[in-house]
Amino acid sequence: GQQVMQIPQYQHVQEGEDFTTYCNSSTTLSNIQWYKQRPGGHPVFLIQLVKSGEVKKQKRLTFQFGEAKKNSSLHITATQTTDVGTYFCAGRWAGKSTFGDGTTLTVKP
Amino acid sequence: KAGVTQTPRYLIKTRGQQVTLSCSPISGHRSVSWYQQTPGQGLQFLFEYFSETQRNKGNFPGRFSGRQFSNSRSEMNVSTLELGDSALYLCASSRREGSDTQYFGPGTRLTVL
Repeated sequence: GQQVMQIPQYQHVQEGEDFTTYCNSSTTLSNIQWYKQRPGGHPVFLIQLVKSGEVKKQKRLTFQFGEAKKNSSLHITATQTTDVGTYFCAGRWAGKSTFGDGTTLTVKP
Repeated sequence: KAGVTQTPRYLIKTRGQQVTLSCSPISGHRSVSWYQQTPGQGLQFLFEYFSETQRNKGNFPGRFSGRQFSNSRSEMNVSTLELGDSALYLCASSRREGSDTQYFGPGTRLTVL
């Protein structure tokens, strides 16, 4: 079945450093979505990428969808303590969403 | 507009019992998906309902079932509970089925003793 691998599992950064998480799918995706889950909270939608090679930005966050629609990345520039949490990608294929295992980001002030 | 609500928020059951969880989607949303979240397995897709019909199903045993009502509210049932069913059960609603933004509820924390 479809698999979505997400790396790294954990990332510890100093405040102000950059952060990147990567997702790779075993199959070509219809779209990919990114979510953020704060500790003790529930996943909150960040963005959806649909087109091959698409790049979207939200303030300090940059999202990319690969040309083959099999991989994606989320990059945060100059992390802040408010960025802590687990970032999930969710690949959509054949009507089903498959979530990556998430990357948990901790930021040291 | 009110968000996705789930009841109950916390539940403790014993092995062999059954449980029913409820999810009320955002007003106007017709698609409801259910997920199981555990530390070891991450977010696992259970099933998706749209217009009272199950549209997609994940790889879970038949003990896990669900349904959707005409008002789009959804229930999930787990029968013959096992210790491994302890998890956070999340429901997510979206306006339509398929590739649309999902809005998650706060979840129901189920503990099986």
